[in-house]
Amino acid sequence: DQQVKQNSPSLSVQEGRISILNCDYTNSMFDYFLWYKKYPAEGPTFLISISSIKDKNEDGRFTVFLNKSAKHLSLHIVPSQPGDSAVYFCAASNQGAQKLVFGQGTRLTINP
Amino acid sequence: NAGVTQTPKFRVLKTGQSMTLLCAQDMNHEYMYWYRQDPGMGLRLIHYSVGEGTTAKGEVPDGYNVSRLKKQNFLLGLESAAPSQTSVYFCASSTGTKAFFGQGTRLTVV
Repeated sequence: DQQVKQNSPSLSVQEGRISILNCDYTNSMFDYFLWYKKYPAEGPTFLISISSIKDKNEDGRFTVFLNKSAKHLSLHIVPSQPGDSAVYFCAASNQGAQKLVFGQGTRLTINP
Repeated sequence: NAGVTQTPKFRVLKTGQSMTLLCAQDMNHEYMYWYRQDPGMGLRLIHYSVGEGTTAKGEVPDGYNVSRLKKQNFLLGLESAAPSQTSVYFCASSTGTKAFFGQGTRLTVV
């Protein structure tokens, strides 16, 4: 039972345009959501997070949107840069359970 | 600032052999986790610990054991390795929300 789903295995975007990565979840108990970025041969690194009490969180070029009614979140990167090419993982937690559940990941490629 | 350190970085095992992966963190985090990453499957939680001396099962615990004898260390053991355990293993530690990951251990079981 995949509680966190990233239905797009890959995404290709032109440099300078907006990248939108999507994530859906099924567990209504999740109350904290995170995005991680992973380069080859490295561990995932934290990018941005959002609590369920908010619907938007922005950090520089990165913005995460949360739609609780649809159980959907998205990560917007604008403008996209070549260094953004990586695998992006969506993750969710029920803070009472202290476990992070990850999606399958989306490979983002930024083309010059 | 080391953060989360995993050893070894690479290992090749024969089927039936045993090994232990070591994870060490210097951030005084209570929570530690072991994940495995497989193509198309994302990061799946094997076992985790919410404090020294405690461990709990994650999504895919079969074939693995763990121990958290010291707060800074979380060990993952494979008693009898199988080819299905070929994967990249990531350790993480957390304050309870944001997790910090090690660089991974690439394990191949032949």
